[in-house]
Formats: sequence, structure tokens, C-alpha cells
Amino acid sequence: DQQVKQNSPSLSVQEGRISILNCDYTNSMFDYFLWYKKYPAEGPTFLISISSIKDKNEDGRFTVFLNKSAKHLSLHIVPSQPGDSAVYFCAASAGATSGSRLTFGEGTQLTVNP
Amino acid sequence: DVKVTQSSRYLVKRTGEKVFLECVQDMDHENMFWYRQDPGLGLRLIYFSYDVKMKEKGDIPEGYSVSREKKERFSLILESASTNQTSMYLCASSSPQGWYQPQHFGDGTRLSIL
Repeated sequence: DQQVKQNSPSLSVQEGRISILNCDYTNSMFDYFLWYKKYPAEGPTFLISISSIKDKNEDGRFTVFLNKSAKHLSLHIVPSQPGDSAVYFCAASAGATSGSRLTFGEGTQLTVNP
Repeated sequence: DVKVTQSSRYLVKRTGEKVFLECVQDMDHENMFWYRQDPGLGLRLIYFSYDVKMKEKGDIPEGYSVSREKKERFSLILESASTNQTSMYLCASSSPQGWYQPQHFGDGTRLSIL
């Protein structure tokens, strides 16, 4: 039962263009969502998050959009840079307990071509 | 910066061996987690702990156990290693203080069971 799903295993974009990574979830109890980035041979690093009371959160080149009715979120990277090439994981949390367990998606490999 | 340190980057063990994976964090975090990462499956939660001597099963606890005798250290134990436990193992920690603190990850241990 995959509660968080990233349907695209890979995405390739040109440097300077927009990268859009998508994530769907099924559990309506999820109320906090995060994106992590992972380079090979390193652990995932936190990128950006959004609470279910918002529909958009921005941090520099990274914006996360949340559509609760569709149970869908997306990560936009503008402009994309070669250093953004990594695996991106979407994660979700249920309940108000900070630091509570996360459910992760399968990941999307982003490749930004110079 | 939060530092989560996993004792080994690479480990090779034999079927049937008892295997210990160690994780130490330096931020006085209450919450600690063990995941395994497999291609196409994302990160799956094995066990987690909210405090010393406390443990909770995650989504795939079978074949594993954990130990948390000190706040900063969380150990994952493979009681009798099997080839299907060959994987990348990731440890994470987080603080329950404040509103939704993200988890911080170590760089992982790539474990091969022969």
C-alpha cells in the first residue's frame, strides 16, 4: 500500500528551464509534506516543506505547491542548474507531533543538462 | 549543523551473521529513525524511537531489532542476516520541539549480505 507515490522515476531538463517534480498521496490524514534531495553516496538533505494549511511555499529557486483536494503536490525548480541533478524524495507526515514518522515516495531522478 | 554519523559506509557480511549498524547524533534529538532505501521503493521505515529505551515498529520491522540505551545512539540489529537484507541503510534524527522539525539523515551504510 503505497501511500505516497512519485510516478516519474526520472526527469531530464535543460539548464535554465523549469523542473517540475510531482507527488501524489492517498492518506487524508497527512498534514505536512516535505521534499528531500539526495546525491549519490550521501544521505537525503531537507529541501523545503509545506503545511496543509497552505497551498504554496517558496524558498529561493524552489517552490512547493499543494492541492489538497487532488491529494497532489509538486516541486518547482526555477531556473534549474546542473548541481540540482539528484534524486528527489517526497515525504508526508500525519498528526501534529513534530518529528513524527515520515512516509516517503519512491523518488525521482532529476538530471539537469548543461 | 546537525551531525548524524553512521559507523560504517560499507559493510559486507555473511548469511546468518548477527549484524550491528550504529548511528550517533550530536544535536540532543529525542527522535531517531532507521530506514532502508531500495531502488524503486524509496525509503522505508524499519524502526524508530522517541526516547531512550523506547522503540516503535515501522513499516518493515521483520528480521530487525533496535537498541537505544543512550539518547545520542540508536543501533539497528540484523538478528540473522539474509541476502534480502542487502540494502542501503539510513539513520535519521529530529527534534520534537517546535512545529514540524524535519529529519536529518546520516550518509548511509551500504550493507551487502553474501
